[in-house]
Amino acid sequence: DIQMTQSPSSLSASVGDRVTITCRASQGISDYLAWYQQKPGKVPKLLIYSVSTLQSGVPSRFSGSGSGTHFALTISSLQPEDVATYYCQKYDSAPCTFGQGTKLDI
Amino acid sequence: EVQLVQSGAEVKKPGESLKISCKISVYTFTNDWIGWVRQMPGKGLEWMAIIYPRNSDIRYSPSFQGQVTVSVDKSTNTAYLQWSSLKASDSAMYYCARGYHGLDVWGQGTTVTVSS
Repeated sequence: DIQMTQSPSSLSASVGDRVTITCRASQGISDYLAWYQQKPGKVPKLLIYSVSTLQSGVPSRFSGSGSGTHFALTISSLQPEDVATYYCQKYDSAPCTFGQGTKLDI
Repeated sequence: EVQLVQSGAEVKKPGESLKISCKISVYTFTNDWIGWVRQMPGKGLEWMAIIYPRNSDIRYSPSFQGQVTVSVDKSTNTAYLQWSSLKASDSAMYYCARGYHGLDVWGQGTTVTVSS
């Protein structure tokens, strides 16, 4: 099965910073990649699918990039409400594995 | 508005069986995949399985194959996740969510606690 590896595992940044989280697939997954945000005690929320398509209602400071095996989630200007754990997920075929998560603090 | 409404928290003993539910709106039930995701306390998201209610096509993660059973009841637009013999290590939050190409609508989660 394809493994999804995120880095870093945790990250501390300041308000206004540009933040990038990376996700690497052990094999190519084309553009079948999504990103999720999970705030403490809350249900996960879909941010991005198909590598770079923003889900409706997601602020434009979030963006996704990459292809094949290397992907990235970027927050252009970090806001206090962005404190959360972020997960990538592949969905080219089952199992639709998640990355281990990146905890983002301010 | 699409909603997935999950059954309430469960407290069970090791060895007991359990079936938790996810009630789905009619449109979603007949047109979308429904996935199940586990989150153990303080840990990350784990993809368990996905089912297409229209024809009951099911895909399991190897990590969960044989450990759980996913099913649907078309008469009630409900998806189920069940265990035949719970273990303490099954204690977790379980989410149902809509979609295959990105899980875009999530249930509120069902907490399962397995303790003697």
